Amino acid sequence: DIVMTQTPLSSPVTLGQPASISCRSSQSLVHSDGNTYLSWLQQRPGQPPRLLIYKISNRFSGVPDRFSGSGAGTDFTLKISRVEAEDVGVYYCMQSTQFPYTFGRGTKLEIK
Amino acid sequence: QVQLVQSGAEVKKPGASVKVSCKASGYTFTSHGFSWVRQAPGQGLEWMGWISTYNGDTNYAQEFQGRVTMTTDTSTNTAYMELRTLRSDDTAVYYCARDVDPFADWGQGTLVTVSS
Repeated sequence: DIVMTQTPLSSPVTLGQPASISCRSSQSLVHSDGNTYLSWLQQRPGQPPRLLIYKISNRFSGVPDRFSGSGAGTDFTLKISRVEAEDVGVYYCMQSTQFPYTFGRGTKLEIK
Repeated sequence: QVQLVQSGAEVKKPGASVKVSCKASGYTFTSHGFSWVRQAPGQGLEWMGWISTYNGDTNYAQEFQGRVTMTTDTSTNTAYMELRTLRSDDTAVYYCARDVDPFADWGQGTLVTVSS
């Protein structure tokens, strides 16, 4: 199974400041079709997860442009350019390149 | 718009089975498969398995092999997840997710509590 390792596990951030979360996979996430199926999801308290970014850097419909994804191969990053209060929650990276799909342990974003 | 509506909360005794449903609307049901994901209280997300709505093919996480069955009913646009021989550590919120992009759409979650 592909292990997804996220850092940090907790990130206190000041409103209006940037935030960054890293995700490393135990093996390359490049699929045989050439795509890299690395996604980022946000889970606000008491809600189901919500897709933010798919295939490394594609912002899902309705996701604010302060969210961006980057990376390649085994190393990936989610960045929030300016954190807003509504961004509080847990962020997960996830790979769907191969079964079983696997998630990182989650990074809790909180406001200082 | 796409909606995934799951069945209501369940309380089960250890050793029992539970079957959670996920009714889809707003798109062509057979265009994308479903994954089921669970989340124990205060814990992260755990992928349980995937089912094709086109031909019923499945892929289950090793941890659930032999205990889980995922099915779909194309006549009612509903996906199902049955988990058998329940244990206390199966207490969790169970989510269905449409496997496009992937996981662009999620059900609201179904709390399954396993307690004697």
